[in-house]
Amino acid sequence: GIQVEQSPPDLILQEGANSTLRCNFSDSVNNLQWFHQNPWGQLINLFYIPSGTKQNGRLSATTVATERYSLLYISSSQTTDSGVYFCAVEDDKIIFGKGTRLHILP
Amino acid sequence: DTGVSQNPRHKITKRGQNVTFRCDPISEHNRLYWYRQTLGQGPEFRPYVQNEAPLETSRLHSDRFSAERPKGSFSTLEIQRTEQGDSAMYLCASSLSPRGTVEQPQHFGDGTRLSIL
Repeated sequence: GIQVEQSPPDLILQEGANSTLRCNFSDSVNNLQWFHQNPWGQLINLFYIPSGTKQNGRLSATTVATERYSLLYISSSQTTDSGVYFCAVEDDKIIFGKGTRLHILP
Repeated sequence: DTGVSQNPRHKITKRGQNVTFRCDPISEHNRLYWYRQTLGQGPEFRPYVQNEAPLETSRLHSDRFSAERPKGSFSTLEIQRTEQGDSAMYLCASSLSPRGTVEQPQHFGDGTRLSIL
């Protein structure tokens, strides 16, 4: 099956910093989503981005399907950005990566 | 609020007991999925996917796990003869997937946390 690898596994940043999270996948996929799981366990849909670039406020994402990777950019980090960021891809089922744990220090 | 709703939020039970969870998807969504998430891991897709047809009763079985979606509305996930390893967060997600198009984004509920004593 498709392998999904996210990097880095952990990231600690000062409030206001920018960050880039990466998702590599081993084969062609039908779609790709980025999720944020907050410290309370809620899983929030950030982007549905099988290809191209999207932006939503301080967050943006780019997927280069031909090269099998996606990037999530977070600018001007806030403490509320803390949590785990998951990338999930679909071929015949949905496969999640192990996530990047982000901790924003005040 | 028209998001995905799950209940109960927490369930504590003794090993060997049966448990049932409920998921109410976003009303216009025709697909519903169950996931299991353990500590430090991403959600794992479980083969309890529900049929998209709104008028069918969909029932899937996998070992001790079974899921139903009567008439394409809410779904229930039942775990029989619970084991210690069943302790996890059980998440439900729904999506709208019109026929002939690519799967649309999945929206998740807040989950049911199961603890087996």
